[in-house]
Amino acid sequence: DGGITQSPKYLFRKEGQNVTLSCEQNLNHDAMYWYRQDPGQGLRLIYYSQIVNDFQKGDIAEGYSVSREKKESFPLTVTSAQKNPTAFYLCASSKTGDTGELFFGEGSRLTVL
Amino acid sequence: AQSVTQLDSHVSVSEGTPVLLRCNYSSSYSPSLFWYVQHPNKGLQLLLKYTSAATLVKGINGFEAEFKKSETSFHLTKPSAHMSDAAEYFCVVRRASKIIFGSGTRLSIRP
Repeated sequence: DGGITQSPKYLFRKEGQNVTLSCEQNLNHDAMYWYRQDPGQGLRLIYYSQIVNDFQKGDIAEGYSVSREKKESFPLTVTSAQKNPTAFYLCASSKTGDTGELFFGEGSRLTVL
Repeated sequence: AQSVTQLDSHVSVSEGTPVLLRCNYSSSYSPSLFWYVQHPNKGLQLLLKYTSAATLVKGINGFEAEFKKSETSFHLTKPSAHMSDAAEYFCVVRRASKIIFGSGTRLSIRP
């Protein structure tokens, strides 16, 4: 079945460590997105990519980095520069064009110890 | 500029009664509109979408929404609530690469 796979589901990190969240899709979508969700809040865009080898900062990119070397993959690295990284992270993908809905993964919950 | 406002942060209904979750949007152009549902610790699932076809859109699990351009609204309704409908609901507006999420409405269902 086609879909988006995020891993790991849960991740614990010590302060000062970088961590990388994986996002893989087999929907043949060009566009991929990373969102952050804090308790009781909506989604905030971290980074997005509309084509391989290109990506743009979203609203809260500071302390995060991404790469898009393959169409299927869009990993997110949470660096030690992110001061408050504990959150629920959601990856999504879509076709390009203004009518395409987003398809979401199941999310990754990062906790900083 | 685009924006989306979910008018209620929390809605509580009794099981078997109608559900109404309100969403207003603003957009300079005709946008695409979506409703998503999120259960705890899960990703978002698409309930329905409007893309300039029929103004009354039917979705999964008995939900539907009506696009009203004159009122710039896209309210989500369901005739009869079920316990499994308890979740967070997001209204989303999209124009090309610009995607705006509402702040969410938490739906509680009373037995």
